[in-house]
Amino acid sequence: GAGVSQSPRYKVAKRGQDVALRCDPISGHVSLFWYQQALGQGPEFLTYFQNEAQLDKSGLPSDRFFAERPEGSVSTLKIQRTQQEDSAVYLCASSSDGTSGNEQFFGPGTRLTVL
Amino acid sequence: AQSVTQPDIHITVSEGASLELRCNYSYGATPYLFWYVQSPGQGLQLLLKYFSGDTLVQGIKGFEAEFKRSQSSFNLRKPSVHWSDAAEYFCAVGRSQAGTALIFGKGTTLSVSS
Repeated sequence: GAGVSQSPRYKVAKRGQDVALRCDPISGHVSLFWYQQALGQGPEFLTYFQNEAQLDKSGLPSDRFFAERPEGSVSTLKIQRTQQEDSAVYLCASSSDGTSGNEQFFGPGTRLTVL
Repeated sequence: AQSVTQPDIHITVSEGASLELRCNYSYGATPYLFWYVQSPGQGLQLLLKYFSGDTLVQGIKGFEAEFKRSQSSFNLRKPSVHWSDAAEYFCAVGRSQAGTALIFGKGTTLSVSS
């Protein structure tokens, strides 16, 4: 499809497990963002890539969170030693950086539940 | 500090009635403003955006929003609500520069009664 896709859509992890969340942005989009949306809250910024370069990771809550985009397209958000407070929906967004400026297109999200 | 406030957590509107969702922002630079809608299990869909120019912007699904700089507001309106409009609505602010993160409000849940 032409939109942003994310997988898996749902993930249940036991506390202490590592998880990997995948994002496929819109083809050709330069910018890629990860956001975390806790229950009943708005999305909060985690990290930003321009092509393969991670230019801003100021929103990552701890060093257990790691993101990569090695070839400038698909991105993976990895969470090590998951904790219950990591339970949230993780949203990926991409942007073309063209004439639409900062318009970001969002994927459906991955709902992570840590037991 | 940069922030977005959506004062109403939950609003119920009768089908066919008008709707206004409030959004106030605090932002140091010229704001670029967005309204997104999120249905259960879905991602965020852009309803409309304000970059510059005419302060009244039209969006999809019959929505419009008005930017009022003096009030730091960007309220969303719809003249006649449909049952399918029931969803969560998020206001967001950002910079014009590509690659900058959006700051979201906590959202307003809209219920539509028949």
